[in-house]
Amino acid sequence: GAVVSQHPSWVICKSGTSVKIECRSLDFQATTMFWYRQFPKQSLMLMATSNEGSKATYEQGVEKDKFLINHASLTLSTLTVTSAHPEDSSFYICSAWGQGVSEAFFGQGTRLTVV
Amino acid sequence: GNSVTQMEGPVTLSEEAFLTINCTYTATGYPSLFWYVQYPGEGLQLLLKATKADDKGSNKGFEATYRKETTSFHLEKGSVQVSDSAVYFCALRSLGGGFKTIFGAGTRLFVKA
Repeated sequence: GAVVSQHPSWVICKSGTSVKIECRSLDFQATTMFWYRQFPKQSLMLMATSNEGSKATYEQGVEKDKFLINHASLTLSTLTVTSAHPEDSSFYICSAWGQGVSEAFFGQGTRLTVV
Repeated sequence: GNSVTQMEGPVTLSEEAFLTINCTYTATGYPSLFWYVQYPGEGLQLLLKATKADDKGSNKGFEATYRKETTSFHLEKGSVQVSDSAVYFCALRSLGGGFKTIFGAGTRLFVKA
């Protein structure tokens, strides 16, 4: 299947700093990327949908100024957690869908710990 | 709106036991249905899928049949192994939902040797 690479796989940051997570589609053009958040032992909650070249569409309750999403190219989307706080600690997963693929493929996830 | 309901876990089985994890869905139109598996500390892997009614998805000994009449997509495996221990997510995606994937709550499976 198609490959979606997420980086970094884990990150620890101090409160108040910003963290950027990258999601890359390695062998197809991802016209749409999705960002999910997963709390421990819980399901994945969709945070936002981004289409290449457009502003992201955020789900209800997700702060767009805190979770900045950029999808400037067909192979890269980034999620920046701004002014991170301990409650932002979570597992973040991206998925990508696009031309030539029959379904959305998921990255391996990024575990963010804010201390 | 679209939603997925799956049985609560954890499910604990002995090796070689039969596994069933129930999943039902609510959706408009004709969604595609998926089972994903998440091993500890890892991301999601697609286990199997079905895109239309009566389709059976299968992979690695796991099977699930898309039942439109009962809006179900139950996951089964005839003989589980310790290496099957993971969290299993039932999910759906419909064109009307903008290709968003909606996940169930996940079912944690423990298989004992």
